[in-house]
This record gives sequence, C-alpha cells and structure tokens, in this order.
Amino acid sequence: DGGITQSPKYLFRKEGQNVTLSCEQNLNHDAMYWYRQDPGQGLRLIYYSQIVNDFQKGDIAEGYSVSREKKESFPLTVTSAQKNPTAFYLCATRDTVFPYEQYFGPGTRLTVT
Amino acid sequence: SQKIEQNSEALNIQEGKTATLTCNYTNYSPAYLQWYRQDPGRGPVFLLLIRENEKEKRKERLKVTFDTTLKQSLFHITASQPADSATYLCAPLSGGYNKLIFGAGTRLAVHP
Repeated sequence: DGGITQSPKYLFRKEGQNVTLSCEQNLNHDAMYWYRQDPGQGLRLIYYSQIVNDFQKGDIAEGYSVSREKKESFPLTVTSAQKNPTAFYLCATRDTVFPYEQYFGPGTRLTVT
Repeated sequence: SQKIEQNSEALNIQEGKTATLTCNYTNYSPAYLQWYRQDPGRGPVFLLLIRENEKEKRKERLKVTFDTTLKQSLFHITASQPADSATYLCAPLSGGYNKLIFGAGTRLAVHP
C-alpha cells in the first residue's frame, strides 16, 4: 500500500446522503486517480488529476466530484446522484519516471443502503 | 473505443506448472504494457512493464511477451505456487500515459 492512505476502510451510508472518501499520499507524485471496482469486475476510472487544481473526468464520472487543492490530497465525493454507489473505491498515484508505475491505496468499501 | 480483453474465466492449475494469462487490446497502439497483481480486498500491485520494441521481459519466475502485430500480451508464471493465486490485470499505456486503463483481470488459482 506504500505511502497512500485511504480512510475509512469500510463506510456505510444511507441512500440520498453525500459521502466523501479520503485519499492522502506522501510519495510526492503529481498524478492521482480514483477507480471504482465492483465484485468480479475490473477497475473503472472515475477521475484523475495530473497537477494541483486540475482534474479530468474518467469513464464513469457521473455522480462523483473531486478536488485537488493540495498535492498530497485527492478526496472523492460520492453524491446522491450516483445511482449505484456501493462498491470498492481505490485511490492511486502514478510515478512520472519510467516505468510509470501506479501505486494503490488499501481501498474503501462503501455500502449504501 | 479502446478495449482490453482478459480471460474472464478463472484459471486453475496445479502447483509447479506454468500459468499463462492473455491480454488482448483493440483500437490503440500502446508503447508499453504493464501487469499488476491484485489480492482480494486490496489494491493492485505493479509487477512489470514491457516496451513495444521488446519481445519478452523476465523477472524471476515471471515472463511477459508483447506482440504488437497480434495486439496481445502473454503473462507466464513458471513453477507456480499457491501463493501466486490472485487476479492479474494488464494495462496498456499509450499517449501521455496519464489515463491508465485496466483490463478486467484474470483470476489464477494454483492448487497444491
């Protein structure tokens, strides 16, 4: 899990509530990512940021929002507009030096009922 | 659109045998291809990267091939062990390498 912290590991929310997932890194990487993983499925990119105060939508950004005010932090908010928010959420950073390895956090398992 | 295909069926093999996993991609030309390992409930961990001009790359018991004509990478684990049981993901890189897209992964189960 390296220098990436995600908290909490498990999160429970009621439907209709917004929830923010934390991601902090001390790897000094500029690029940060949020992925969603559903049971038995691969990683789907939600948002990514290459530099502070800038971020881009991934393939499934609807119902999510992010901010990148500090290099170390890239929080993800799951809004009530996300239809199926229950999933395993992974934050990652990427090294800009070859071989461009991505480092992943331990993940947050979000359950919305 | 860019598409990455990995065997969705789990691969079951006997300890000591060689496991071979396949990654096929379409609609892009990656300059590099990465392989990651993911254990249940955890984030993926980087294993190795192969360049488009490399036919083969080895790291300990791992071997990766990259055929840009077939648009395919093969991932081999020789002398497999139960501890190798995990899901293996491939991730072709192209463009500015900023947007990494993963295959769905193949689950490998090595039986004693």
